[in-house]
Amino acid sequence: DTEVTQTPKHLVMGMTNKKSLKCEQHMGHRAMYWYKQKAKKPPELMFVYSYEKLSINESVPSRFSPECPNSSLLNLHLHALQPEDSALYLCASSQVGRGGHSPLHFGNGTRLTVT
Amino acid sequence: AQSVTQPDIHITVSEGASLELRCNYSYGATPYLFWYVQSPGQGLQLLLKYFSGDTLVQGIKGFEAEFKRSQSSFNLRKPSVHWSDAAEYFCAVGAAASGSARQLTFGSGTQLTVLP
Repeated sequence: DTEVTQTPKHLVMGMTNKKSLKCEQHMGHRAMYWYKQKAKKPPELMFVYSYEKLSINESVPSRFSPECPNSSLLNLHLHALQPEDSALYLCASSQVGRGGHSPLHFGNGTRLTVT
Repeated sequence: AQSVTQPDIHITVSEGASLELRCNYSYGATPYLFWYVQSPGQGLQLLLKYFSGDTLVQGIKGFEAEFKRSQSSFNLRKPSVHWSDAAEYFCAVGAAASGSARQLTFGSGTQLTVLP
């Protein structure tokens, strides 16, 4: 069982819809991440939160809006997406500090289809 | 900038045979190296990691990897493959991101097929 929980597992949305992806972890990790993964490709980093503050935005379009309401939760708000945004969206968490020795722990992802 | 190369897109082995998946990295300092496995429709599961010390690291599910600085390699091995090992394998190199969060760069992955 994964220690990072993502909901929903599957999401189908139209291009005019607004939806949110949710991620939760209870490992005490203070870094949380959003990755996007297209079929047969490696994950691509979207956002990094460190101590609940956005520290990295990898030039992601504004139709993706992350939010970290507390140290256990990470949301990704979606609005006016395009069909090419269809992908597996992965959340991950890790410790911070300790010389960066902490690996990332991934959730099972949300499979998003934009119609 | 760091980068990772996995030269083999797809590898097929028979059940019970040995396995080696190749990974080469480029990184300016001492690298933090990881191997992850991903089954269809699932997230990524950490197999093993290398930070420092013994260059032969043991992981879960009977996997091991050897760090070779002179060859900039971190190859994954398993002496006897099981049918359940069929999956996508990703090598990754990590750098400290802002606030010492971890920023991973992934290789393109190697798809492993196991024949009965």
